[in-house]
Amino acid sequence: EAGVTQSPTHLIKTRGQQATLRCSPISGHTSVYWYQQALGLGLQFLLWYDEGEERNRGNFPPRFSGRQFPNYSSELNVNALELEDSALYLCASSRQGAVEKLFFGSGTQLSVL
Amino acid sequence: TQLLEQSPQFLSIQEGENLTVYCNSSSVFSSLQWYRQEPGEGPVLLVTVVTGGEVKKLKRLTFQFGDARKDSSLHITAAQPGDTGLYLCAGSHQAGTALIFGKGTTLSVSS
Repeated sequence: EAGVTQSPTHLIKTRGQQATLRCSPISGHTSVYWYQQALGLGLQFLLWYDEGEERNRGNFPPRFSGRQFPNYSSELNVNALELEDSALYLCASSRQGAVEKLFFGSGTQLSVL
Repeated sequence: TQLLEQSPQFLSIQEGENLTVYCNSSSVFSSLQWYRQEPGEGPVLLVTVVTGGEVKKLKRLTFQFGDARKDSSLHITAAQPGDTGLYLCAGSHQAGTALIFGKGTTLSVSS
């Protein structure tokens, strides 16, 4: 069974640009979660989608947004990139609302120059 | 605000030694999870503890949930180089809220 897949693996952008990160959950999982893992800050919760709806949002500015598609895949968009947005962005999936059992992808390493 | 504090932040030991890492909070959690993350990979779930005072064992790893459900510990017996990685604790306060993660303990086991 395929795990959570994320693309691209690496992404290099310049300040002010926009980035789009993609995530495909495990088959049968309807919940998708996005986390930012910046150096020294640990995993910070960004967004939670379930059945196409945003369920919960972390303490990030509105330029971090996303959506979930009918096939439960998801994308994270970051507008007006800032240098401090450089981080590993991790996507996780679970069965509906099963936050206590997340399966993570390998992440997208975003570098903002 | 970091609601889950992990200690120590870094730990470097020799193969065969025992170690304990801690996860503490002032808040009560409905459950706590421990994950391990290796370089270039996402975190992998090791265990979930739900009941106060609960102890779970996974081979050489022993996990304990505090009686008040505010803290947890991970004890590794006879550490091996394959145990090297970032150990993260995570918790959820209640249904419908996302997992909160600690900053992690980076463990290095040398042979």
